[in-house]
This record gives sequence, structure tokens and C-alpha cells, in this order.
Amino acid sequence: RKEVEQDPGPFNVPEGATVAFNCTYSNSASQSFFWYRQDCRKEPKLLMSVYSSGNEDGRFTAQLNRASQYISLLIRDSKLSDSATYLCAVNSYSSASKIIFGSGTRLSIRP
Amino acid sequence: EAQVTQNPRYLITVTGKKLTVTCSQNMNHEYMSWYRQDPGLGLRQIYYSMNVEVTDKGDVPEGYKVSRKEKRNFPLILESPSPNQTSLYFCASSFSWTGDLSYEQYFGPGTRLTVT
Repeated sequence: RKEVEQDPGPFNVPEGATVAFNCTYSNSASQSFFWYRQDCRKEPKLLMSVYSSGNEDGRFTAQLNRASQYISLLIRDSKLSDSATYLCAVNSYSSASKIIFGSGTRLSIRP
Repeated sequence: EAQVTQNPRYLITVTGKKLTVTCSQNMNHEYMSWYRQDPGLGLRQIYYSMNVEVTDKGDVPEGYKVSRKEKRNFPLILESPSPNQTSLYFCASSFSWTGDLSYEQYFGPGTRLTVT
């Protein structure tokens, strides 16, 4: 089993819709969780860190479910510009200094 | 402007010809890391460094070397590149890591390497 897993998608949703995707992790001791956004052929950019209490930034909400070992990302009122690949990242089972990325979920927003 | 820079951005080379990809950050970050990204495999960590002269292997270190002689620089060295090292490479840095906590990483623009 991979340490961090994501549904690769693609998720194809209309503009204005709400979309959510999850990222599961295998290390129950993980303490650090992140969502990154990556546009085609560009570098990943931090979208938000995920805290135990959840985190909201405008239309984006991230949640942590420790019992089921997953993090989620919810995008409300989706825009065309939200089309991208979303990567989750979790610190590693073997060392907190290592970060493991999921393979990414591709999101496409249609007009 | 706070940033991570990589050079070169694009490189086509031949098997066995040693090359170095440079990475530099101006944020005084302690932690630096190299990743490769391949279709279907996502970002995989090659090496990371927790501070000057402190480096450790990531998940796919074979065929690569790194050094961290200065805080701001973290070059990636391919002593004898092979076609299976054709990939998109990213350097990243973050403030630090503390105990069980890691910090968000900032990525360079990427280096697209082709080994023929």
C-alpha cells in the first residue's frame, strides 16, 4: 500500500459547482498535512496547510480525519481557473523530515 | 523576491555525461529537497537536506548525489546519467522541520532533463 494515495480523477465539473476530493495516508503518526496545486508543467504551489481543526481560505476548505486517516479538500463555487492537479503531502512514516506526495487528482472545470 | 531558482531549466544530454543541476533559495531555509516527477508516479523525493552538511536519502536516490556546503545552495549531481533519469526535476525548500512537524515547501520552477 502506498503511504499516500489519491484518486487520480479526472474530476470534470461545471463552473460554480462544489467539488471535493480526499487523500488517504497510511502513517497514523503523521502530523503534517498539506494541499498543493500544480498547473500543467509548472511547479507545485502550496494551497493550504491542514490543521487538526480544519482550515478554510475563501472558497477552499481542508479537513483532517485522523480516525479514518484521510485529508479532504473542498472547493466551493468552482472557477475555470481552479482547473489544475491537486497534490496532497504528508510527512513520512519513517521520518518527519521526509514528505511524501500523492500522485495528484486532476480537476477540470468546464464553462 | 523570495524564491527558489534552478538551472538549467531544460537540458538534453547523452548517457554517461556528468551533469549538475543547481538549486538556490534566498529565504534562509534550513530544509531543502530534490524531487523527480514522472507521469503516473507523482513527485518522488530523491534526496533532502536538513541543514548545511546534513543530507539524507529520499525514496529514489540511486544514480544521484547531492551536497550542501552552503545554506542557500543544494546542487543535484548525476555522475553518469542514464535514459531512465529522463524526468522533470524540482528543488524545494522549507523553513525547517521540528520534531514531528514538517513545514510547507516552496518549489523551484523545475528542470526538464532528457537523457538520450
